[in-house]
Amino acid sequence: DAGVTQSPTHLIKTRGQHVTLRCSPISGHKSVSWYQQVLGQGPQFIFQYYEKEERGRGNFPDRFSARQFPNYSSELNVNALLLGDSALYLCASSFGRVTGELFFGEGSRLTVL
Amino acid sequence: QKEVEQDPGPLSVPEGAIVSLNCTYSNSAFQYFMWYRQYSRKGPELLMYTYSSGNKEDGRFTAQVDKSSKYISLFIRDSQPSDSATYLCAMSAGHSGGSNYKLTFGKGTLLTVNP
Repeated sequence: DAGVTQSPTHLIKTRGQHVTLRCSPISGHKSVSWYQQVLGQGPQFIFQYYEKEERGRGNFPDRFSARQFPNYSSELNVNALLLGDSALYLCASSFGRVTGELFFGEGSRLTVL
Repeated sequence: QKEVEQDPGPLSVPEGAIVSLNCTYSNSAFQYFMWYRQYSRKGPELLMYTYSSGNKEDGRFTAQVDKSSKYISLFIRDSQPSDSATYLCAMSAGHSGGSNYKLTFGKGTLLTVNP
């Protein structure tokens, strides 16, 4: 079975631009979460979606937004990019039960110049 | 004080050694405890998952949770060069007060197992 897939794997943007990152969860998983991992740090929670509704939001500015589609795939959007947004953006899926067992994708590595 | 503290290392051990990795935490609401392994430039891979206090063993890996001390550990027996990676502890309060299953991670410990 395919794991969590993310696209693009790498991208370079300049300050002020907008970026859209995409994620397809494991088949049968209804929950998708997004995390930001800055080099040398652990992942930081951005959003969680379950059944197309936002169920949790981390301490990130309104420039960050996300949505989940009827097929449970998800998009993360970041507007007005800053240098500090350079990071590995990780998508994780889970079945939806309250277990905490998240399965991560390989991530999208964003560089902001 | 950060919610989850983890010594970033780096930790270097010879092949076959027993490795001990630890995290402490301050949030009493945490009930679910996980260890992830992350190879360079890859996503985290779930290694061990435990609920509440106790021990869990899976092959060469043993996870321990002591909620009274707010301390969790991961032991790796007979360590192999292929175990060289960053190990991240992660915790969740579960479905509590709207926090759902947001994971709070430690910084990660970089482990190198030398042949």
